[in-house]
Amino acid sequence: KAGVTQTPRYLIKTRGQQVTLSCSPISGHRSVSWYQQTPGQGLQFLFEYFSETQRNKGNFPGRFSGRQFSNSRSEMNVSTLELGDSALYLCASSLVGSAGANVLTFGAGSRLTVL
Amino acid sequence: GQQLNQSPQSMFIQEGEDVSMNCTSSSIFNTWLWYKQDPGEGPVLLIALYKAGELTSNGRLTAQFGITRKDSFLNISASIPSDVGIYFCAGYSNSGYALNFGKGTSLLVTP
Repeated sequence: KAGVTQTPRYLIKTRGQQVTLSCSPISGHRSVSWYQQTPGQGLQFLFEYFSETQRNKGNFPGRFSGRQFSNSRSEMNVSTLELGDSALYLCASSLVGSAGANVLTFGAGSRLTVL
Repeated sequence: GQQLNQSPQSMFIQEGEDVSMNCTSSSIFNTWLWYKQDPGEGPVLLIALYKAGELTSNGRLTAQFGITRKDSFLNISASIPSDVGIYFCAGYSNSGYALNFGKGTSLLVTP
């Protein structure tokens, strides 16, 4: 079956712009999590959505937001882009979405460069 | 999130050698996962561990969930060039909802 699909794979934006990234989870997976990966900070949790509701949120400013649709597809948005937002944004899906027993399957990521 | 200390940061070995890397946390974890990430791709799950003391193998890979529940290790036997990549430990603490990641071990294998 198809894996987690993220679009676009690469994009370049300038400071102050906003960006929307898309994620299609594995069929049947209802939980979608987003992570930011940078060389300095590693993989950091952004937020998790389950059944169209944000259940958990990491320690990121309000410029980072997301949503989930009824078909479990998810989008994340970053407004007023800063240079430090340059990163690989990873989406992961899972069956249940409850911590402790949950294995995340990751997409290939969206590489964002902010100039 | 919980901080995971992963070591070593990088390894440069010859094909055929065995590799060992480990991960420690400051708090108790109830799940440990090991992922591998190739350049330009997302992390791919290698092994999942759910019980303290659990020892699980996946081909040439073996991982263990530490008895104290605060550590885990991954061993790769008889390394081959395609083992090259970044290996991440990850886990859920008892009170956590997000998967916490180590900073990764970069593995280079020379033929």
